[in-house]
Amino acid sequence: DTAVSQTPKYLVTQMGNDKSIKCEQNLGHDTMYWYKQDSKKFLKIMFSYNNKELIINETVPNRFSPKSPDKAHLNLHINSLELGDSAVYFCASSESSYNSPLHFGNGTRLTVT
Amino acid sequence: AQSVTQLGSHVSVSEGALVLLRCNYSSSVPPYLFWYVQYPNQGLQLLLKYTSAATLVKGINGFEAEFKKSETSFHLTKPSAHMSDAAEYFCAVSDRGSSASKIIFGSGTRLSIRP
Repeated sequence: DTAVSQTPKYLVTQMGNDKSIKCEQNLGHDTMYWYKQDSKKFLKIMFSYNNKELIINETVPNRFSPKSPDKAHLNLHINSLELGDSAVYFCASSESSYNSPLHFGNGTRLTVT
Repeated sequence: AQSVTQLGSHVSVSEGALVLLRCNYSSSVPPYLFWYVQYPNQGLQLLLKYTSAATLVKGINGFEAEFKKSETSFHLTKPSAHMSDAAEYFCAVSDRGSSASKIIFGSGTRLSIRP
């Protein structure tokens, strides 16, 4: 009965490859997010979708493309992976109001070699 | 835009001692503030949130935070540290200046507990 689940948990790949991370939430939330956490634990928002519509895109390279087939799912596809993409990627969801907290998945640790 | 600053990237206290993690915010409007905890290899969990109903907010695991407008602070405290409190703690603010709900995180404070 995991609230926000993302797969895979670990992803090791070589530079230049394309990979995807999947996320699903069963909380009935309208808004979903992707955050990137670097090696110093700094968390930065990448994208946000509300009811399948992209509402936040924080100057992320075009190699990153989010897709939301429905409001319970938000996937992240990354093309032409680079060393600097190595990080932990977190999916999160929330209700659509400014005082609603985020509910996070357990993260996907991406390592690009 | 709103932002938060966490003072101290690493705090170490003895078991049973007071925990104090500092957070200052910058906001042109009344802020919505949060504290999250991250245990190793896990996602972030909400500890507590401030939404202007009361300045002293109680959260889970015995933590609480006090909103002080005059000091633009939202420090997190716990009277008596437990070994299980060792984790990374993040202060966050909801960026109400943006067109959509967006939560901005501080740089985090790693809390270590000495036996």
